[in-house]
Amino acid sequence: KNQVEQSPQSLIILEGKNCTLQCNYTVSPFSNLRWYKQDTGRGPVSLTIMTFSENTKSNGRYTATLDADTKQSSLHITASQLSDSASYICVVTRPSGNTPLVFGKGTRLSVIA
Amino acid sequence: GAGVSQSPSNKVTEKGKDVELRCDPISGHTALYWYRQSLGQGLEFLIYFQGNSAPDKSGLPSDRFSAERTGGSVSTLTIQRTQQEDSAVYLCASSLRLSSSGFHYEQYFGPGTRLTVT
Repeated sequence: KNQVEQSPQSLIILEGKNCTLQCNYTVSPFSNLRWYKQDTGRGPVSLTIMTFSENTKSNGRYTATLDADTKQSSLHITASQLSDSASYICVVTRPSGNTPLVFGKGTRLSVIA
Repeated sequence: GAGVSQSPSNKVTEKGKDVELRCDPISGHTALYWYRQSLGQGLEFLIYFQGNSAPDKSGLPSDRFSAERTGGSVSTLTIQRTQQEDSAVYLCASSLRLSSSGFHYEQYFGPGTRLTVT
């Protein structure tokens, strides 16, 4: 079954600290993996897109890693800011099939002062 | 327009009524996606369009749901005989196109329509 599991479900950290969010998937075939940030009441915004051959990709203070062998990805946030408070969603895309995009349920991150 | 727009932003309807949700994608984007996000849940993929055609409609939750896209631009998601479990935020996204190898380019999301069925 094509699934994307994210952990933790929620996380609270102090401003300035780092954190890492996890994503495990069983989706096959695999096209690419994306991380989105969704602020409350808004649509998701893309942070990174990683293909099979990419191991790491950075976008400012966000760094995503991908291990296609173990089917795991992580999103590392450095020097967190209050504005990082949001849900972070991992999405795996398939090149074909009835469900081209498989979404995780997200990790709810709260950054507090 | 500058981004994906959706209307209405909020819709409250009585159980059993039909509703239409509208999505205006970014100009030039040929791929369009519909999602549903229930409270506290992840996004649920419903359907996508490449141009005016929807390659697969099996993601739609029931036959009460239908979607169409005309002119390769605006799309409408219709829910007939709404039920309380249809209450959710319905998100639309668009992307440049779907490649021949099936690669889905980066998607840009609209703000969503919050549907409440009473």
